[in-house]
Amino acid sequence: KAGVTQTPRYLIKTRGQQVTLSCSPISGHRSVSWYQQTPGQGLQFLFEYFSETQRNKGNFPGRFSGRQFSNSRSEMNVSTLELGDSALYLCASRGTGGRQEKLFFGSGTQLSVL
Amino acid sequence: TQLLEQSPQFLSIQEGENLTVYCNSSSVFSSLQWYRQEPGEGPVLLVTVVTGGEVKKLKRLTFQFGDARKDSSLHITAAQPGDTGLYLCAGDTGTASKLTFGTGTRLQVTL
Repeated sequence: KAGVTQTPRYLIKTRGQQVTLSCSPISGHRSVSWYQQTPGQGLQFLFEYFSETQRNKGNFPGRFSGRQFSNSRSEMNVSTLELGDSALYLCASRGTGGRQEKLFFGSGTQLSVL
Repeated sequence: TQLLEQSPQFLSIQEGENLTVYCNSSSVFSSLQWYRQEPGEGPVLLVTVVTGGEVKKLKRLTFQFGDARKDSSLHITAAQPGDTGLYLCAGDTGTASKLTFGTGTRLQVTL
């Protein structure tokens, strides 16, 4: 069974640009969550999608948005990039067996904003 | 804002030593999870503890959930270089995918 796949692995952007990150969950998983990891703030929850609907949202500005497609693949978009958006963006998927289902993380997309 | 404070922040030990990592909060969690993250990879779940006072063992790793479900500890016996990594605790407040992660403990085990 393939794991969570995130593309691209690395990205370099400049301030003011926008970026789209992609996440393919484990086959059969319908929940996809996004997290931002920085040295200073650690891992912080961005949002969760389930069956194409945003189910939960963290405390991030509206520049951070996401969506989920009918095949459960998800994209995350960050507009008007700031230097502080430089981070490892992690995607995680989980199955539909209830709250005891494990969260599986991808290897992340390392975003550098110059 | 719920915070999970981990201590120590960094730990460098030699192979064969024992160590304990602590995860503390003023908030109550439905469950608490421990992850290990290696460079260039996402976190990998080690264990989930659910009941206050619960103790779980995973080979040389022992996890404990505090009676009040506000804190947890991870004890590693006879550490090995393969245990090297970033250890993260994460609390679940009832929304299973919206985890609150701890500040992390970076462990280095040398020969």
